[in-house]
Amino acid sequence: DTGVSQNPRHKITKRGQNVTFRCDPISEHNRLYWYRQTLGQGPEFLTYFQNEAQLEKSRLLSDRFSAERPKGSFSTLEIQRTEQGDSAMYLCASSLGTGVRSTDTQYFGPGTRLTVL
Amino acid sequence: GDSVTQMEGPVTLSEEAFLTINCTYTATGYPSLFWYVQYPGEGLQLLLKATKADDKGSNKGFEATYRKETTSFHLEKGSVQVSDSAVYFCALIQGGSEKLVFGKGTKLTVNP
Repeated sequence: DTGVSQNPRHKITKRGQNVTFRCDPISEHNRLYWYRQTLGQGPEFLTYFQNEAQLEKSRLLSDRFSAERPKGSFSTLEIQRTEQGDSAMYLCASSLGTGVRSTDTQYFGPGTRLTVL
Repeated sequence: GDSVTQMEGPVTLSEEAFLTINCTYTATGYPSLFWYVQYPGEGLQLLLKATKADDKGSNKGFEATYRKETTSFHLEKGSVQVSDSAVYFCALIQGGSEKLVFGKGTKLTVNP
């Protein structure tokens, strides 16, 4: 059973650099989500894709953040001109969206921990 | 906006003790409610869920009942084990949205 995978698991970068994270969802899942989790807090929603379409974005997703899912399979999250406040765990999740009302389980990956120096 | 409030942790219990972790929510309409668990070094896993009022979610000895009148979804287990040590997150999804809204999490430590 292949779950959600994320790469890299850890990333240390200097302020002002760009970083990109990758998420590979469970293979048959059509929905993919990105969340951010800071220390001592619950995950916060960033954005969500259904197939290749980005359907919902949080106000947390500033202009420096961009996410893509070009072929409806894997997704990338890029942060440009990183700031120290971007340091967090970035979580990816996927689900098999089967209906209008979302009660489908979101399966989470292990996360990418970003540290901005 | 929608929000979830969990009891502050950490919670420390002895093995076989009774567990309650309180969770209340604020939302318009009728959200679906979830408990996720994060074991040390692992990703978030769904523990249980309930999609409408008075539904009871249950899994691995844990239970939670969707109480619309008190806007609550408290997590309970009759007899905890050391292996239940983890961080527990209460969450909701509002109808028409795909985003999970999480509480801050409650860290549970069970001592032998």
